Amino acid sequence: GAGVSQSPRYKVAKRGQDVALRCDPISGHVSLFWYQQALGQGPEFLTYFQNEAQLDKSGLPSDRFFAERPEGSVSTLKIQRTQQEDSAVYLCASSLKGAVNSPLHFGNGTRLTVT
Amino acid sequence: AQSVSQHNHHVILSEAASLELGCNYSYGGTVNLFWYVQYPGQHLQLLLKYFSGDPLVKGIKGFEAEFIKSKFSFNLRKPSVQWSDTAEYFCAVSRGQGFGNEKLTFGTGTRLTIIP
Repeated sequence: GAGVSQSPRYKVAKRGQDVALRCDPISGHVSLFWYQQALGQGPEFLTYFQNEAQLDKSGLPSDRFFAERPEGSVSTLKIQRTQQEDSAVYLCASSLKGAVNSPLHFGNGTRLTVT
Repeated sequence: AQSVSQHNHHVILSEAASLELGCNYSYGGTVNLFWYVQYPGQHLQLLLKYFSGDPLVKGIKGFEAEFIKSKFSFNLRKPSVQWSDTAEYFCAVSRGQGFGNEKLTFGTGTRLTIIP
């Protein structure tokens, strides 16, 4: 069956540009998460949705980062005025109920390079 | 805030050797503990998890982990590794209950290389 799909797989942006990263979760999954994984590090939590409600955005590093999931399915992570330190792999994950009660299904990620 | 330490950055073993990967966390309250694995070219996937009950947890592909509360540890073990176990392994923790329990904190990962 289809897993979590992320697009684009690779994105190169010039410093100062805005980018939008898309996540298509597994159909029917209530919970959706965004993580940022810098080179040589583990994934770091950015934000969490339950359906369309953003319940936790404590991991967003600055107000340049914005995430939405308006209809409770597809989610978009937007980064405004990108900086070099934003270069990382951005992972999306979904789960049927939540990260604790059901396993997270990760996408392959979007590798963002800011030049 | 909780944190996770994986002290082994890269482990190299021969096939049939026994494996133990260390994981320590820092959080004084109730925790949920996870091991995720990322095979080359694939996405992260759940290997096993601990919520409560028996501190020895069995996962897929012959892996197991033991939660030792007094040591704040959740080490991953496998008695006999195979070449196909070559992957990156991540330990993760979340708070046991209340706000924030959905937020997983990951360690930096351990790269495991199995030599045929």
